[in-house]
Amino acid sequence: GAVVSQHPSWVICKSGTSVKIECRSLDFQATTMFWYRQFPKQSLMLMATSNEGSKATYEQGVEKDKFLINHASLTLSTLTVTSAHPEDSSFYICSADPENTEAFFGQGTRLTVV
Amino acid sequence: GENVEQHPSTLSVQEGDSAVIKCTYSDSASNYFPWYKQELGKRPQLIIDIRSNVGEKKDQRIAVTLNKTAKHFSLHITETQPEDSAVYFCAASENSGYALNFGKGTSLLVTP
Repeated sequence: GAVVSQHPSWVICKSGTSVKIECRSLDFQATTMFWYRQFPKQSLMLMATSNEGSKATYEQGVEKDKFLINHASLTLSTLTVTSAHPEDSSFYICSADPENTEAFFGQGTRLTVV
Repeated sequence: GENVEQHPSTLSVQEGDSAVIKCTYSDSASNYFPWYKQELGKRPQLIIDIRSNVGEKKDQRIAVTLNKTAKHFSLHITETQPEDSAVYFCAASENSGYALNFGKGTSLLVTP
C-alpha cells in the first residue's frame, strides 16, 4: 500500500513556542491530505483538510491562526502549532488517499507541551 | 454534519468467542464505511470496509454488515484471538478520498 510518513514521531516543547509537524506521501502525490487530532483514549477528530496550492479548510472550532497548515507541494503538508499550550498536547495524525480507495495514515506525532 | 455513534465502548470476550461492534450514522449522503484497528500509540490500520452498494463483506474472520435504510453497520469478529485486543473505530464518509467521521471507539479485550 501507499506510504505516508510523519515527522517527528514525538516532540516535547515549552508553552508559548511553536512546533512544526510534517506529513509526507512517499510514493504518491497527494493533492489533499487530512489532519486529525486524537486525545488520550478518545477518537480521531478531523481538524482540517489540507489542499495543495490553496488554503486549508478548517473544521468548526479549530483555530486557523493557531494551527497553521501549509500544503506547498504534492508530497508534503505541514501543521504548525503556534503558541502551544498544555491543552494542545495530543496525538496528531495525517492521512491521504492516493486513489480514492483507502485512507493511509502517517504514524502520528505525539505532542507534549510543558 | 455526520454523526457516528459506536457501541459498546468496551468489550471483553474469551478467546474463541465472537465479538460484535455496532455503529450508526446520521448522514444519508455517507457511502463509505471503513473499520480500523488501532493499537496504543500507533496509526489506525484498515481492517475492512464496505460501500453503500453492498450489504455484507467478509474477509476471513472479519465481516461487516450494512443496513443503509436503518443507517446502521456492524463489525463481526469470529474466533477471536488475544492479538485481536485493540481499540476498534468505525467511520463514515461520503466516499473514499473524503474526510472520515469516526465513532468513539471500542476497546476490545480478548482473554485467553
